[in-house]
Amino acid sequence: TQLLEQSPQFLSIQEGENLTVYCNSSSVFSSLQWYRQEPGEGPVLLVTVVTGGEVKKLKRLTFQFGDARKDSSLHITAAQTGDTGLYLCAGFSDSWGKFQFGAGTQVVVTP
Amino acid sequence: SAVISQKPSRDICQRGTSLTIQCQVDSQVTMMFWYRQQPGQSLTLIATANQGSEATYESGFVIDKFPISRPNLTFSTLTVSNMSPEDSSIYLCSVEMGQNSYEQYFGPGTRLTVT
Repeated sequence: TQLLEQSPQFLSIQEGENLTVYCNSSSVFSSLQWYRQEPGEGPVLLVTVVTGGEVKKLKRLTFQFGDARKDSSLHITAAQTGDTGLYLCAGFSDSWGKFQFGAGTQVVVTP
Repeated sequence: SAVISQKPSRDICQRGTSLTIQCQVDSQVTMMFWYRQQPGQSLTLIATANQGSEATYESGFVIDKFPISRPNLTFSTLTVSNMSPEDSSIYLCSVEMGQNSYEQYFGPGTRLTVT
């Protein structure tokens, strides 16, 4: 059983379309991060959210943290081919006592 | 943030041999980790590399198979011992930075193929 559920597993869209990736748990996160990983590289930290209801923007990427701090979403507006990659959410919960990664969402943006 | 390098970037090894992967950080960090990842999949934590003491291993990983060294606050090694094809994977080191936020910064990874 995954402590941290991520959906969908795979997304294929065309350039210019929007997409949303979800991350949720039955436990409360102390903090949650989103990472992007491109082939042949390590994951790169995109954002950290710690406050319930928090919204952060990074250019065309919008990150939301649920009010109860049990879920988060990553929304990409007008996707570009450079957004292609594996998106991973990860977080720490006092319930688990450890840092945990989600299963990842493979995003493919085609021209 | 931190700049992390890993050596080698990739290797092809024969079964039964061992490979040591090095991880170097450009600043002193307390927490260093070793992960394993199948291409396109999530990360599985192997162990936490503790400076000055034995590494802390996750369930399913043992010191005899994955010995880890952490001689100082900027360097660590992971050895994959007595390799089999099932050990073929990407091995990543990471460091934790940021007080109370658990942010991790990763090296580029080592792609290991065991034949």
